[in-house]
Amino acid sequence: QVQLQESGPGLVKPSETLSLTCTVSGDSITRVYWAWIRQLPGKGLESIGYIYYTGIIMYNPSLMGRVTMSLDTSKNQFSLKLNSVTAADTAVYFCARMPRQLSHWGPGILVTVSS
Amino acid sequence: DVVMTQSPLSLPVTLGQPASISCRSSQGLVFSDGNIYLNWFLQRPGQSPRRLIYMVSNRDSGVPDRFSGSGSGTDFTLRISRVEAEDVGVYYCMQGTHWPFSFGQGTKLEIK
Repeated sequence: QVQLQESGPGLVKPSETLSLTCTVSGDSITRVYWAWIRQLPGKGLESIGYIYYTGIIMYNPSLMGRVTMSLDTSKNQFSLKLNSVTAADTAVYFCARMPRQLSHWGPGILVTVSS
Repeated sequence: DVVMTQSPLSLPVTLGQPASISCRSSQGLVFSDGNIYLNWFLQRPGQSPRRLIYMVSNRDSGVPDRFSGSGSGTDFTLRISRVEAEDVGVYYCMQGTHWPFSFGQGTKLEIK
């Protein structure tokens, strides 16, 4: 059974970098694509980006070059970095499998941007 | 970006009665491989979204057959034949054809 788990700091200061990791179990990270989605408070769900182990990466243009995704095949993990964060980046961040169909999601992690 | 518009946004339903949610996309959703990547999710309070339907009409494993999806072009529908208490939550449609993939605003289903 495929399971995903997000981890990282729950509090980030404005202008700093948000860093999250998703650990995958029950599937190989080299088999399919992986994605990050966020849910903004009181607003909807937003795609952040997706990644494939061959180097294919797509980012949401709305994040204006602040986002970087990577993966670590030895740990079966993939990661998200979002720099120059503001309060508008406060959200629940989810990692998920198969971006076009989002078959499996992690439980999500609330990241608050505040000084 | 493709805009996904759901209606209604609030859906009070009596137990045992049917329910229907509409989702309209601002562009057609046929991908270059011929598939339509239109999915439906249910998010219960405090949980991550759970996929119910993928590629318009394919029910996920473990999803009761009272849930069905249909549609084509830019208009899609999720139907629940007989609403049960466990169906309460927010339903989202999502398109995975055009990047960035996008979600509807959500439809909150509650029991009358």
